[in-house]
Amino acid sequence: EVQLLESGGVLVQPGGSLRLSCAASGFTFSSYAMNWVRQAPGKGLEWVSGISGSGGSTYYADSVKGRFTISRDNSKNTLYLQMNSLRGEDTAVYYCAKDHPSSYYDSRDFYHYCGVDVWGQGTTVTVSS
Amino acid sequence: DIQLTQSPSFLSASVGDRVTITCRASQAISSYLAWYQQKPGKAPKLLLYAASTLQSGVPSRFSGSGSGTEFTLTFTSLQPEDFATYYCQQLYISPYTFGQGTKLEIK
Repeated sequence: EVQLLESGGVLVQPGGSLRLSCAASGFTFSSYAMNWVRQAPGKGLEWVSGISGSGGSTYYADSVKGRFTISRDNSKNTLYLQMNSLRGEDTAVYYCAKDHPSSYYDSRDFYHYCGVDVWGQGTTVTVSS
Repeated sequence: DIQLTQSPSFLSASVGDRVTITCRASQAISSYLAWYQQKPGKAPKLLLYAASTLQSGVPSRFSGSGSGTEFTLTFTSLQPEDFATYYCQQLYISPYTFGQGTKLEIK
């Protein structure tokens, strides 16, 4: 069974740092791009960051660029999100999500993206003094 | 960044109704659009991708259409388990933005 299990969410003060982890199982982790998606309390979904299967390409939302860093350790089947300079507006449930298996890069390096087909249960980050 | 606007934001309907939700993109995204369903306290679930391709295991009463800047999600006959919040997501270019959501409630 394909599973994603996030951890690391806690209460942190504004300006602080935190690292989220997502342990993957049930699939060949290195073969899939992965993402972090967040949801502030009572709000909609916000795509935060994505990383290719090799880890060589990373992508960020403007709201976190320069403060968050996505990475992965394929030997440990684990995805990470390093969060620095945290703000109140970063308070959210953070979901780890796996790219759909039909997604692929073509010969021009264009990514034919088919969304995310597996989600974790989420981990809650609260930024408050 | 590409903006997605869903309409309506709230929708009240009855079991058995045919319902359509619209998602409009701020620029053309071909057919690179997905739809998700989210129930309270749960992670989202992928319903359709490539605008109209049904994800494995999703009932055929869900259908999607559109390309370019306008897309629709249609429920041919609402079931009790369909009352939830629905989001579109553009898959054309990073950042892969979501619409603001449409909450479908029981009338």
